[in-house]
Amino acid sequence: DIVLTQTPLSLSVTPGQAASISCKSGQSLLHSDGETQLSWYLQKPGQPPQLLIFGVSNRFSGVPDRFSVSGSGTDFTLKISRVEAEDVAVYYCMQSLHVPFTFGQGTRLEI
Amino acid sequence: QVQHVQSGAEVKGPGASVKVSCKASGYIFTNYAIHWVRQAPGQRLEWMGWITGGNGDTTYSQKFQGRVSMTRDTSAGTAYMELRSLASEDTAVYYCAKDGGGLQSWGQGTLVTVSS
Repeated sequence: DIVLTQTPLSLSVTPGQAASISCKSGQSLLHSDGETQLSWYLQKPGQPPQLLIFGVSNRFSGVPDRFSVSGSGTDFTLKISRVEAEDVAVYYCMQSLHVPFTFGQGTRLEI
Repeated sequence: QVQHVQSGAEVKGPGASVKVSCKASGYIFTNYAIHWVRQAPGQRLEWMGWITGGNGDTTYSQKFQGRVSMTRDTSAGTAYMELRSLASEDTAVYYCAKDGGGLQSWGQGTLVTVSS
């Protein structure tokens, strides 16, 4: 199974500041078709996960442009440019290149 | 809008089976696969498998192979996940989600508790 390692596991940020979460994969997530099979989710307390970004650079419908992803191959970073109170959540990366799809262990963002 | 409504919470004894439903709306059900993901208390998300929308082909995580069945009723726009031989470690919230570039539009989750 592909192991995804997220760091840090928790993060405390002041509103308006930037936040970054790293996701490192044990294998390259680049598909032969040129697409990177990585996506990011946030899960607010008591709610199901929500898709943020897929394929590295594609923000899902309604996701503000404060959220962006950089990186390639095995190393990726989710950046929130200006954290808001509503961003409090646990953030997960997920790879969908190989079965079983796997998730990182999650990063808790606090304010 | 796209929505997935899951069946209610279940309490099962060890060795029993559970079947969770996921009713889709707001899109053409047969055009998209449905994934199933679970989350045990305090644990990371765990992908269980998926079922394609068109012909109902399934792909399961090897961890659940032989113990899980994913099916769908296209006329009802509903996907199902059955897990057999339940053990305490299967206590978790089970989610369905629509495929389409990442896992989109998750259901609200179904809590399955395995307890004697």
